Amino acid sequence: GAVVSQHPSWVICKSGTSVKIECRSLDFQATTMFWYRQFPKQSLMLMATSNEGSKATYEQGVEKDKFLINHASLTLSTLTVTSAHPEDSSFYICSARGGLAGGPSLNEQFFGPGTRLTVL
Amino acid sequence: AQSVTQPDIHITVSEGASLELRCNYSYGATPYLFWYVQSPGQGLQLLLKYFSGDTLVQGIKGFEAEFKRSQSSFNLRKPSVHWSDAAEYFCAVGAPFTGKLIFGQGTTLQVKP
Repeated sequence: GAVVSQHPSWVICKSGTSVKIECRSLDFQATTMFWYRQFPKQSLMLMATSNEGSKATYEQGVEKDKFLINHASLTLSTLTVTSAHPEDSSFYICSARGGLAGGPSLNEQFFGPGTRLTVL
Repeated sequence: AQSVTQPDIHITVSEGASLELRCNYSYGATPYLFWYVQSPGQGLQLLLKYFSGDTLVQGIKGFEAEFKRSQSSFNLRKPSVHWSDAAEYFCAVGAPFTGKLIFGQGTTLQVKP
């Protein structure tokens, strides 16, 4: 149980285009979803926290107009990288937190497999 | 400020040898503590977690960790390492209310045959 998927697993796009990444909790309803960015050989950096039906909360230094987050349901959050540039190339990972009755604990996050974005 | 430090960026051990990965944290209260493992190009897999109670926690794949409040540490151990354990290991501190995780820099484990 507690499986999180991401789609696509990798994407290559041209500079100036927009890319959408989906994050789904497959077998539980997520109270919160988180989006992370990871550069090669580095740790995960939290970009934003997303709650269903609410505006995402972005971490300091993250451009909310560049990284649009939509959390349409308790099982789906999307990250759209707008007008992507080569410096946006990275590994993007989402996670989902439980906390609803019958689901996993509120205190634990379940991670997706990540999406590799390459901007040419 | 809240932070997590993994002092060892890279560790190499021989297969069958014991392993200890260090993790120190700075947090205002007793945090939730986690160890994750990441294989190249993959997401994170939870090895074990500590919320409260017994300070020695058992995880998957034969890993264990001990929470030492006096040392603000949560070191990960395994008595006998397998070649398949080669990966990146992350220690993380979780904020109980927001659920936000703060990750350490990670430790790369290499296993020699």
